[in-house]
Amino acid sequence: NAGVTQTPKFQVLKTGQSMTLQCAQDMNHEYMSWYRQDPGMGLRLIHYSVGAGITDQGEVPNGYNVSRSTTEDFPLRLLSAAPSQTSVYFCASSYSGGGAKDTQYFGPGTRLTVL
Amino acid sequence: GQSLEQPSEVTAVEGAIVQINCTYQTSGFYGLSWYQQHDGGAPTFLSYNALDGLEETGRFSSFLSRSDSYGYLLLQELQMKDSASYFCAVRDLNTGGFKTIFGAGTRLFVKA
Repeated sequence: NAGVTQTPKFQVLKTGQSMTLQCAQDMNHEYMSWYRQDPGMGLRLIHYSVGAGITDQGEVPNGYNVSRSTTEDFPLRLLSAAPSQTSVYFCASSYSGGGAKDTQYFGPGTRLTVL
Repeated sequence: GQSLEQPSEVTAVEGAIVQINCTYQTSGFYGLSWYQQHDGGAPTFLSYNALDGLEETGRFSSFLSRSDSYGYLLLQELQMKDSASYFCAVRDLNTGGFKTIFGAGTRLFVKA
């Protein structure tokens, strides 16, 4: 199993550009989520999905879109990049996402810089 | 709203025991989780407390007291490789557990 994979590992964008961060998992997990991590601020939930075709907003959804057409893939789209979106982005998945003990598995992250 | 408070930094000596505290304000949650993150790496799951009390996993133990809105992670026999950031996290009960809230993290420095 590859676990959770993310591409690209690094990206530099100019203000106003759009791009898609890719995330895939091969563990047949229903629940997937996107977080951003800024220095000293821990992980903040952007969007999450509880299964194919179902997504919802997290704490900081503005400026980002998601879709979930398959169980395996959960891409994150930046519509018009802004310097405030400079961050490290982590994708995570878990078996069900709700209820009791349900470990989240994280991808290696994408380090995004917006100039 | 939901919030979790952790100390920003803790320093300890190799071989010692260190406790990282987490206090929280939340209207309801399923349990308290702990994750470890090394510099440049991804968070990895360490421990979970669904009920009050102590959970032990090797050198790591975690404790939860819902009545005190408090939990901690205990690391024993510290090793240099334990130098990392540690995050407590809760799954929000009000959203069926689908929203996870993380603390800002505690940076642990282990000295020789």
